[in-house]
Amino acid sequence: NAGVTQTPKFQVLKTGQSMTLQCAQDMNHEYMSWYRQDPGMGLRLIHYSVGAGITDQGEVPNGYNVSRSTTEDFPLRLLSAAPSQTSVYFCASSYRLNEKLFFGSGTQLSVL
Amino acid sequence: AQKVTQAQTEISVVEKEDVTLDCVYETRDTTYYLFWYKQPPSGELVFLIRRNSFDEQNEISGRYSWNFQKSTSSFNFTITASQVVDSAVYFCALSRDYKLSFGAGTTVTVRA
Repeated sequence: NAGVTQTPKFQVLKTGQSMTLQCAQDMNHEYMSWYRQDPGMGLRLIHYSVGAGITDQGEVPNGYNVSRSTTEDFPLRLLSAAPSQTSVYFCASSYRLNEKLFFGSGTQLSVL
Repeated sequence: AQKVTQAQTEISVVEKEDVTLDCVYETRDTTYYLFWYKQPPSGELVFLIRRNSFDEQNEISGRYSWNFQKSTSSFNFTITASQVVDSAVYFCALSRDYKLSFGAGTTVTVRA
C-alpha cells in the first residue's frame, strides 16, 4: 500500500540548474497538488491538478512547472533553480476536491 | 481571498496538561471545508479532522476535540491530557474550490 510516493528525499542544486521532483500515487485520486513549506509560513500551494491533462496555478507558482499526463503522476519541475526555492516540498493527493489530503514524505531541497 | 491565522507560534506544556490550539479563518464563501493536520518531528503530515461549513457539531475523538464556531470564524483544537507523543506542529487549513490555504502552524512541545 504505497500511497503517495515522492522522490528524491534530499537534493542539492546549484543556482541555475534544473530538476524534476517526482510524485506518484496509487489510490486513483483525482486531485493532486504540490506545496512548499518554509519556516513560519505553513504550507503554500504551488500548483494543483484536478485530473489528467488539467493543471492550474496555486499561490506561489513562479519558477515551477507541472504536468499531469496520467492520473498517477504529477511531477514538479524547477526550470532554473534559485536560492529562494530552498524549501521542503510536499506532494499531496485526495480522492476528490475538498477531501482529506494524503501527503508524500517530502523533499528537502537546497539551492546554493 | 481566504486566510488562516494561527496566532500561537509555540506552546509548551507538561504531560497531562490540556492544550488548546486556536485557528481563525477568513473567507467570503458560504461553503468551505476546514482541516487540522499534524506534523510530528519525523516530518510527515497526518490528517486529523475535516469539517464542512454547514456542520457546526463539535466532535470528540479520544483525547482530541474540536470546537467549530462559524459566528466567530474559529475552528479550535484541544488535546486533553497531553502526552509526549503529541509533540508536533499542528496546522489548520481552509479549503475552497480547488485551493487549500494553511495557517503558519503551532508547535506543541509536551515535556515529561
